[in-house]
Amino acid sequence: EAGVAQSPRYKIIEKRQSVAFWCNPISGHATLYWYQQILGQGPKLLIQFQNNGVVDDSQLPKDRFSAERLKGVDSTLKIQPAKLEDSAVYLCASSLSRPNEQFFGPGTRLTVL
Amino acid sequence: GQQLNQSPQSMFIQEGEDVSMNCTSSSIFNTWLWYKQDPGEGPVLLIALYKAGELTSNGRLTAQFGITRKDSFLNISASIPSDVGIYFCAGQLIPSTGNQFYFGTGTSLTVIP
Repeated sequence: EAGVAQSPRYKIIEKRQSVAFWCNPISGHATLYWYQQILGQGPKLLIQFQNNGVVDDSQLPKDRFSAERLKGVDSTLKIQPAKLEDSAVYLCASSLSRPNEQFFGPGTRLTVL
Repeated sequence: GQQLNQSPQSMFIQEGEDVSMNCTSSSIFNTWLWYKQDPGEGPVLLIALYKAGELTSNGRLTAQFGITRKDSFLNISASIPSDVGIYFCAGQLIPSTGNQFYFGTGTSLTVIP
Protein backbone atom coordinates (compact mmCIF):
# COMPACT_ATOMS: atom_id res chain seq x y z
CA GLU A 1 0.00 0.00 0.00
CA ALA A 2 1.42 3.38 -1.00
CA GLY A 3 1.92 5.85 1.82
CA VAL A 4 1.08 9.52 2.10
CA ALA A 5 2.88 11.47 -0.62
CA GLN A 6 4.02 15.07 -0.24
CA SER A 7 5.79 17.49 -2.54
CA PRO A 8 8.04 19.28 -2.71
CA ARG A 9 10.32 17.80 -0.03
CA TYR A 10 12.22 21.06 0.39
CA LYS A 11 11.42 24.68 -0.40
CA ILE A 12 13.41 27.86 0.17
CA ILE A 13 11.71 31.21 -0.34
CA GLU A 14 12.14 34.81 0.72
CA LYS A 15 9.76 36.45 3.16
CA ARG A 16 6.63 37.90 1.62
CA GLN A 17 6.71 35.32 -1.19
CA SER A 18 4.00 32.71 -1.65
CA VAL A 19 4.38 28.95 -1.43
CA ALA A 20 2.16 25.90 -1.89
CA PHE A 21 2.48 22.35 -0.67
CA TRP A 22 0.74 19.29 -2.07
CA CYS A 23 -0.42 16.13 -0.34
CA ASN A 24 -1.84 12.90 -1.71
CA PRO A 25 -3.28 10.75 1.10
CA ILE A 26 -3.48 7.00 1.26
CA SER A 27 -6.14 5.75 -1.13
CA GLY A 28 -9.54 5.59 0.53
CA HIS A 29 -8.61 7.67 3.57
CA ALA A 30 -11.41 10.13 4.18
CA THR A 31 -9.65 12.26 6.78
CA LEU A 32 -6.66 14.45 5.95
CA TYR A 33 -4.59 16.58 8.32
CA TRP A 34 -1.99 19.30 7.87
CA TYR A 35 0.50 19.84 10.70
CA GLN A 36 3.23 22.41 11.25
CA GLN A 37 6.36 21.16 13.02
CA ILE A 38 8.81 23.83 14.10
CA LEU A 39 12.34 22.64 14.81
CA GLY A 40 12.59 21.10 18.26
CA GLN A 41 8.83 20.89 18.76
CA GLY A 42 6.07 18.40 18.22
CA PRO A 43 3.64 18.69 15.30
CA LYS A 44 0.83 21.22 15.67
CA LEU A 45 -2.45 20.63 13.84
CA LEU A 46 -3.30 23.37 11.33
CA ILE A 47 -6.37 21.97 9.63
CA GLN A 48 -8.37 18.75 9.38
CA PHE A 49 -10.56 17.70 6.46
CA GLN A 50 -13.24 15.02 6.39
CA ASN A 51 -13.62 14.26 2.67
CA ASN A 52 -13.70 17.76 1.18
CA GLY A 53 -15.14 19.52 4.22
CA VAL A 54 -13.19 21.31 6.97
CA VAL A 55 -13.63 19.70 10.41
CA ASP A 56 -11.21 21.86 12.41
CA ASP A 57 -9.16 24.87 11.35
CA SER A 58 -9.01 26.61 14.70
CA GLN A 59 -5.21 26.80 14.72
CA LEU A 60 -4.79 27.85 11.09
CA PRO A 61 -3.53 31.46 10.73
CA LYS A 62 -6.21 32.35 8.25
CA ASP A 63 -4.78 35.75 7.38
CA ARG A 64 -1.95 34.05 5.48
CA PHE A 65 -2.62 30.31 5.39
CA SER A 66 -5.24 28.57 3.28
CA ALA A 67 -5.93 24.96 2.43
CA GLU A 68 -8.29 23.11 0.19
CA ARG A 69 -9.18 19.55 -0.59
CA LEU A 70 -11.12 19.58 -3.81
CA LYS A 71 -12.84 16.30 -4.69
CA GLY A 72 -11.96 14.93 -1.26
CA VAL A 73 -8.62 13.41 -2.28
CA ASP A 74 -5.51 15.56 -2.81
CA SER A 75 -4.96 18.66 -0.75
CA THR A 76 -2.91 21.82 -1.05
CA LEU A 77 -1.72 24.12 1.71
CA LYS A 78 -0.76 27.67 0.76
CA ILE A 79 1.06 30.43 2.59
CA GLN A 80 0.73 33.97 1.25
CA PRO A 81 2.73 35.99 2.17
CA ALA A 82 5.32 33.95 4.08
CA LYS A 83 7.01 35.19 7.23
CA LEU A 84 10.31 34.14 8.78
CA GLU A 85 8.48 32.31 11.58
CA ASP A 86 6.78 30.05 9.02
CA SER A 87 10.05 28.15 8.60
CA ALA A 88 9.11 24.61 9.62
CA VAL A 89 8.31 21.14 8.36
CA TYR A 90 4.76 20.83 7.06
CA LEU A 91 3.41 17.34 7.58
CA CYS A 92 0.37 15.81 5.95
CA ALA A 93 -1.37 12.82 7.50
CA SER A 94 -4.42 10.76 6.64
CA SER A 95 -6.62 8.26 8.41
CA LEU A 96 -9.27 5.79 7.29
CA SER A 97 -11.80 5.89 10.07
CA ARG A 98 -10.35 5.94 13.53
CA PRO A 99 -8.68 9.33 13.88
CA ASN A 100 -6.07 7.85 16.16
CA GLU A 101 -4.39 5.86 13.45
CA GLN A 102 -2.93 8.66 11.40
CA PHE A 103 -0.33 7.89 8.78
CA PHE A 104 2.13 10.69 8.11
CA GLY A 105 3.91 11.72 4.94
CA PRO A 106 7.61 12.63 4.90
CA GLY A 107 6.88 16.34 5.15
CA THR A 108 7.96 19.46 3.29
CA ARG A 109 10.77 21.44 4.90
CA LEU A 110 10.17 25.17 4.33
CA THR A 111 12.89 27.73 4.89
CA VAL A 112 11.90 31.41 4.75
CA LEU A 113 14.84 33.81 4.35
CA GLY B 1 -3.14 25.16 22.82
CA GLN B 2 -2.63 22.31 25.24
CA GLN B 3 0.78 21.64 26.71
CA LEU B 4 2.14 18.11 26.91
CA ASN B 5 5.38 17.93 28.83
CA GLN B 6 7.74 15.14 27.88
CA SER B 7 10.73 14.05 29.89
CA PRO B 8 13.52 13.60 29.59
CA GLN B 9 14.20 15.96 26.71
CA SER B 10 17.11 13.78 25.55
CA MET B 11 18.72 10.50 26.51
CA PHE B 12 22.07 8.93 25.74
CA ILE B 13 22.21 5.23 26.57
CA GLN B 14 24.30 2.17 25.88
CA GLU B 15 22.99 -0.50 23.55
CA GLY B 16 21.12 -3.14 25.55
CA GLU B 17 19.91 -0.77 28.26
CA ASP B 18 16.25 -0.17 29.01
CA VAL B 19 14.69 3.25 28.41
CA SER B 20 11.82 5.03 30.14
CA MET B 21 10.17 8.27 29.14
CA ASN B 22 6.94 9.95 30.13
CA CYS B 23 4.43 12.55 29.13
CA THR B 24 2.29 14.65 31.47
CA SER B 25 -0.48 17.16 31.07
CA SER B 26 -2.65 19.37 33.25
CA SER B 27 -5.69 18.24 31.23
CA ILE B 28 -7.49 14.92 31.05
CA PHE B 29 -6.99 12.95 27.83
CA ASN B 30 -9.10 10.10 26.49
CA THR B 31 -6.48 8.71 24.13
CA TRP B 32 -2.69 8.57 24.31
CA LEU B 33 -0.46 7.78 21.37
CA TRP B 34 3.27 7.28 21.08
CA TYR B 35 5.11 8.06 17.83
CA LYS B 36 8.72 7.73 16.66
CA GLN B 37 10.18 10.17 14.15
CA ASP B 38 13.37 9.56 12.21
CA PRO B 39 15.29 12.46 10.62
CA GLY B 40 13.62 13.69 7.46
CA GLU B 41 10.57 11.50 7.94
CA GLY B 42 7.09 11.85 9.35
CA PRO B 43 6.13 10.34 12.72
CA VAL B 44 5.28 6.65 12.80
CA LEU B 45 2.68 5.35 15.25
CA LEU B 46 4.13 2.89 17.79
CA ILE B 47 1.39 2.32 20.35
CA ALA B 48 -2.16 3.59 20.93
CA LEU B 49 -3.84 3.60 24.37
CA TYR B 50 -7.58 4.08 24.85
CA LYS B 51 -8.40 3.34 28.51
CA ALA B 52 -7.08 4.60 31.83
CA GLY B 53 -4.71 2.06 33.31
CA GLU B 54 -4.25 0.26 30.00
CA LEU B 55 -0.87 -1.37 29.49
CA THR B 56 0.01 -2.25 25.89
CA SER B 57 3.10 -3.81 24.34
CA ASN B 58 4.50 -3.77 20.83
CA GLY B 59 7.61 -5.93 20.71
CA ARG B 60 10.20 -4.37 22.98
CA LEU B 61 7.98 -1.34 23.57
CA THR B 62 5.49 -1.05 26.41
CA ALA B 63 3.27 1.93 27.10
CA GLN B 64 0.77 2.71 29.83
CA PHE B 65 -2.20 5.07 30.06
CA GLY B 66 -2.01 6.72 33.47
CA ILE B 67 -4.83 6.20 35.96
CA THR B 68 -5.35 9.94 36.33
CA ARG B 69 -5.70 10.25 32.51
CA LYS B 70 -3.14 13.03 32.69
CA ASP B 71 -0.02 11.04 31.90
CA SER B 72 1.46 8.19 29.92
CA PHE B 73 4.71 6.23 29.96
CA LEU B 74 6.75 4.51 27.28
CA ASN B 75 9.39 1.91 28.03
CA ILE B 76 11.84 0.38 25.56
CA SER B 77 13.63 -2.75 26.67
CA ALA B 78 17.05 -3.92 25.46
CA SER B 79 17.66 -0.92 23.23
CA ILE B 80 19.30 -1.34 19.84
CA PRO B 81 20.90 1.24 17.51
CA SER B 82 17.79 1.49 15.31
CA ASP B 83 15.83 2.80 18.31
CA VAL B 84 17.57 6.13 17.73
CA GLY B 85 15.11 8.91 16.96
CA ILE B 86 12.69 11.33 18.53
CA TYR B 87 9.76 9.93 20.45
CA PHE B 88 6.58 11.96 20.70
CA CYS B 89 3.53 11.46 22.84
CA ALA B 90 0.19 12.74 21.59
CA GLY B 91 -3.07 13.02 23.45
CA GLN B 92 -6.70 13.57 22.54
CA LEU B 93 -8.64 15.78 24.93
CA ILE B 94 -11.92 15.24 26.70
CA PRO B 95 -14.09 16.90 25.50
CA SER B 96 -12.83 17.17 22.01
CA THR B 97 -14.00 18.50 18.72
CA GLY B 98 -12.64 17.35 15.43
CA ASN B 99 -10.57 14.60 17.06
CA GLN B 100 -7.65 16.97 17.50
CA PHE B 101 -4.48 15.59 18.98
CA TYR B 102 -1.84 17.56 20.85
CA PHE B 103 1.78 16.50 20.57
CA GLY B 104 4.47 16.67 23.22
CA THR B 105 7.85 18.31 22.69
CA GLY B 106 9.62 15.01 22.10
CA THR B 107 12.35 12.90 23.70
CA SER B 108 15.50 12.49 21.62
CA LEU B 109 17.05 9.05 22.08
CA THR B 110 20.66 8.23 21.20
CA VAL B 111 21.85 4.63 21.52
CA ILE B 112 25.60 4.13 21.77
CA PRO B 113 26.70 0.78 20.27
